[in-house]
Amino acid sequence: DAKTTQPPSMDCAEGRAANLPCNHSTISGNEYVYWYRQIHSQGPQYIIHGLKNNETNEMASLIITEDRKSSTLILPHATLRDTAVYYCIVRVAPFSLVFGKGTRLSVIA
Amino acid sequence: DVKVTQSSRYLVKRTGEKVFLECVQDMDHENMFWYRQDPGLGLRLIYFSYDVKMKEKGDIPEGYSVSREKKERFSLILESASTNQTSMYLCASRGQAYEQYFGPGTRLTVT
Repeated sequence: DAKTTQPPSMDCAEGRAANLPCNHSTISGNEYVYWYRQIHSQGPQYIIHGLKNNETNEMASLIITEDRKSSTLILPHATLRDTAVYYCIVRVAPFSLVFGKGTRLSVIA
Repeated sequence: DVKVTQSSRYLVKRTGEKVFLECVQDMDHENMFWYRQDPGLGLRLIYFSYDVKMKEKGDIPEGYSVSREKKERFSLILESASTNQTSMYLCASRGQAYEQYFGPGTRLTVT
């Protein structure tokens, strides 16, 4: 699995877009980028995934650079309920999940 | 929306008791997983199942067993609970794009 690097923490003002970066410079051509988050004391929540193209769903957008060495998860209008640890995972076909340290996003009123 | 439910959010059991944790998913997924999550250790896979009555050991199966008699239900059994099995237990089912959907978790305390 490709190694990912994420900033340990970020702050975002409520109502603003939260942009969470992930570096995966060793990604191979058939590895997907997955994003999950975990709110304190709850189970992890799947957010979005992508291979090459940018993706959008009701929760977020995923922007993957053309060389695929990095990606950004965008929460368009962050709310206090988006405060969580966000995990970027790069795998071919993830069987079991292994979370790194992730980014602790704090949304501030 | 995919829904994964777990039988209890909080559970307190005594050492030596047999403990059953149940998980149900409503998306007809074939693959289901049991993890435990501990501070500093992250998610660790206990067992998984890729079909009814099929199961495979994960990374830390010792002290646990599982049962999958119906596609939607995957049970984790602690044969004789011990204090080192105090943890958050998470069930997940996997979709077609290999994304996993988790239940809310069961926080088990063994005293």
